[in-house]
Amino acid sequence: AQSVAQPEDQVNVAEGNPLTVKCTYSVSGNPYLFWYVQYPNRGLQFLLKYITGDNLVKGSYGFEAEFNKSQTSFHLKKPSALVSDSALYFCAVRDLGRDDKIIFGKGTRLHILP
Amino acid sequence: EADIYQTPRYLVIGTGKKITLECSQTMGHDKMYWYQQDPGMELHLIHYSYGVNSTEKGDLSSESTVSRIRTEHFPLTLESARPSHTSQYLCASRPDRGGAFFGQGTRLTVV
Repeated sequence: AQSVAQPEDQVNVAEGNPLTVKCTYSVSGNPYLFWYVQYPNRGLQFLLKYITGDNLVKGSYGFEAEFNKSQTSFHLKKPSALVSDSALYFCAVRDLGRDDKIIFGKGTRLHILP
Repeated sequence: EADIYQTPRYLVIGTGKKITLECSQTMGHDKMYWYQQDPGMELHLIHYSYGVNSTEKGDLSSESTVSRIRTEHFPLTLESARPSHTSQYLCASRPDRGGAFFGQGTRLTVV
């Protein structure tokens, strides 16, 4: 079965510093991977996806993610954090089994310190 | 902005009442989903649909029911609301290839 893990409940980064939010996955076959962001009292917003191609994927709001097949990771990154990046971030993998569901990690709260 | 809409955004209702949470999308997606999320916590899949007349229960058991009579519409119904149903409910749809688009959510409080 497909699964995704976000090992950190919370990440604190000073404004202007680079940020990384970690995600590892377990799939059979080629992974379809996603990152979403959720601001307070809002739904989830799509940030970026990896399906195939270049291992470095660029997304919205200056975020990017690096697909690493050997480490089964898909970490979210940004070179310079903004206070407005503070939110809850979810990594997700598409389950290509019979149900074809999208499976979410537990989420990582990113707190950018001004 | 994704074209998926949920109404109402906020709902406070008394115990025992019947409620329907609406979800509509204009993107023609066959696959639709309902997730339940307590504030700041993980998402739990409670229902999903592959298309018209298809409904499946998700990973988290829920007393709610869903229907899919039209492609664009995927309402969720609670026949008798209880305080334990207090949560945020997120609706999503997606194309065959790619990620999901989410609505803004409905925050339900049962008093």
